[in-house]
Amino acid sequence: GAVVSQHPSWVICKSGTSVKIECRSLDFQATTMFWYRQFPKQSLMLMATSNEGSKATYEQGVEKDKFLINHASLTLSTLTVTSAHPEDSSFYICSAGRGTSGRTYEQYFGPGTRLTVT
Amino acid sequence: AQSVAQPEDQVNVAEGNPLTVKCTYSVSGNPYLFWYVQYPNRGLQFLLKYITGDNLVKGSYGFEAEFNKSQTSFHLKKPSALVSDSALYFCAVRDSNFGNEKLTFGTGTRLTIIP
Repeated sequence: GAVVSQHPSWVICKSGTSVKIECRSLDFQATTMFWYRQFPKQSLMLMATSNEGSKATYEQGVEKDKFLINHASLTLSTLTVTSAHPEDSSFYICSAGRGTSGRTYEQYFGPGTRLTVT
Repeated sequence: AQSVAQPEDQVNVAEGNPLTVKCTYSVSGNPYLFWYVQYPNRGLQFLLKYITGDNLVKGSYGFEAEFNKSQTSFHLKKPSALVSDSALYFCAVRDSNFGNEKLTFGTGTRLTIIP
């Protein structure tokens, strides 16, 4: 077990539109979900951490009004890129944390979403 | 602050030879250490982790890693490389202290196995 899915796997949108990416933990309840961004040939950069039912915690330099995160349940988190621009084109990866007593012992990663803004 | 260093951007190994991908870390408390592999346009696949216990950790696909506290290292190893091992490998660390759930990733090492 510990499967995380993302939808869509790839998306192309026009500049100025908004795009929503879903992240689901399929066979476990995630205490915490994380959103990462990966530029070509670079490492993963944490964008934000979200806990079910509370506001996401954004990393320094990440615009919370541009990257809206909703964590409606223990199995679903969504990232909405609002008013997308070409510089938002990237590979977005989510992960779901699983642990005991409220601690996240391990993160399980989704397959990623390739966003291209034209 | 926690950090990870992967000093080699690229490692080339002949098929059948042993391979090592290096990783050193820095955390304020005790570390939780992870290795992940990424294939093109895919997410990260978990290989192995060190939480506590034996310093030699065995993981998926024949990989293993040795935790060395004195050298703050967690190098990934495999006795005999396969062409299918060619991929991008990330080392990651987090502090074991409660409340710090963030993983910090290294910059990645591209492993190429030469037939």
